[in-house]
Amino acid sequence: NAGVTQTPKFQVLKTGQSMTLQCAQDMNHNSMYWYRQDPGMGLRLIYYSASEGTTDKGEVPNGYNVSRLNKREFSLRLESAAPSQTSVYFCASSEVRGTGELFFGEGSRLTVL
Amino acid sequence: GENVEQHPSTLSVQEGDSAVIKCTYSDSASNYFPWYKQELGKRPQLIIDIRSNVGEKKDQRIAVTLNKTAKHFSLHITETQPEDSAVYFCAARGSGGYQKVTFGTGTKLQVIP
Repeated sequence: NAGVTQTPKFQVLKTGQSMTLQCAQDMNHNSMYWYRQDPGMGLRLIYYSASEGTTDKGEVPNGYNVSRLNKREFSLRLESAAPSQTSVYFCASSEVRGTGELFFGEGSRLTVL
Repeated sequence: GENVEQHPSTLSVQEGDSAVIKCTYSDSASNYFPWYKQELGKRPQLIIDIRSNVGEKKDQRIAVTLNKTAKHFSLHITETQPEDSAVYFCAARGSGGYQKVTFGTGTKLQVIP
């Protein structure tokens, strides 16, 4: 089992460019999440999907969109990247009625120039 | 929404000494409190968790305590080893069906050999 897989691992963008971060999990989890990690600010929730077909905003959704493509896949899109979106992005999944443990991907380091 | 505060932001201890990290939360309905460890350049991984109906939980050298009245919980690591060096995040999740997990800002623990 691969667990949670994110692509790409590294990306450099220019201000105004768009991109999509891809995430897939093979644990048959219902819930999936996108977090961003910035120094001194911990992990902040951008968007989450409690189950297939639903998405909802987290703490810092501005500038992002998401798509829950199917039960396995949850993508994060930056329509017009800004330097403030330079961060490390983590996708995670969990089983809502299970232990509650979040399983994270390896992270995607995004730099916006 | 839930707010989780974590202290200290950095902690240095001598190998063999104990380390304590403290967190407070704001939502009295929160009922699940996990701790994640993130080694440099790696993904966060769950190391221990506690539910609101339990006051203390131990797993070998690590333990977590919860004081629901005061709305704070702590991570205790005894007999620290160099491999304990990492960033530790506390988190809280609300009750009643699906709820988001809110993270603290992290504690960078350095164990000095």
